[in-house]
Amino acid sequence: QLQLQESGPGLVKPSETLSLTCTVSGGSVSSSSHYWGWIRQPPGKGLEWIGSGYHSGSTYFNPSLQSRVTISVDTSKNQFSLKLTSVTAADTALYYCAQYCSNTNCYYDAFNMWGQGTMVTVSS
Amino acid sequence: QSALTQPASVSGSPGQSITISCTGTSSDVGSYNLVSWYQQHPGKAPKLMIYEGSKRPSGVSNRFSGSKSGITASLTISGLQAEDEADYYCCSYAGSKTVVFGGGTKLTVL
Repeated sequence: QLQLQESGPGLVKPSETLSLTCTVSGGSVSSSSHYWGWIRQPPGKGLEWIGSGYHSGSTYFNPSLQSRVTISVDTSKNQFSLKLTSVTAADTALYYCAQYCSNTNCYYDAFNMWGQGTMVTVSS
Repeated sequence: QSALTQPASVSGSPGQSITISCTGTSSDVGSYNLVSWYQQHPGKAPKLMIYEGSKRPSGVSNRFSGSKSGITASLTISGLQAEDEADYYCCSYAGSKTVVFGGGTKLTVL
């Protein structure tokens, strides 16, 4: 069964870069049917899509975050990662990684599976 | 890309039905039949409940149903149960491989 697990520092200083990794088990990031996404949730608030990546290297981002976000998929490690630069307190959130289905062989155009989330606090 | 609009809260008694609306624009909900709905219990990751507007993943109760009219999608839960109390989020494809979430709705089972 597919599982996703986020990892990375829980505390990042303002103006620095937030870096997270999602390790996929029970499935492959090389799947032609799936994109791999990052979603965040500030404390007490709603979900915000950050962006998604494909094993080919294609990436897609929320326009509001596009200038600060990098997403990469590492097929050799079966992982994908998120980098968010120049962070501020507004980037404090629970960060989820998730599998997004891109064809009708799975639950089409939806986030089928989610990691448990990792809390990142931006503070000096 | 603005967040989809959902009511902040809805409530209902056990056994009743409730509907949660999700209003977008002609660029997202109105253009694609690709709205998904997620249930999130406190401290838990979201769970997919509806995809492609009205389809249920395996294992999701048929008490959950989805629909769409124009730029508004809806999630209906019939036969409310205590376990349905949670936050619910809609999400729509918005073109060019981007998606947008709604602000979320807190469902209280009275």
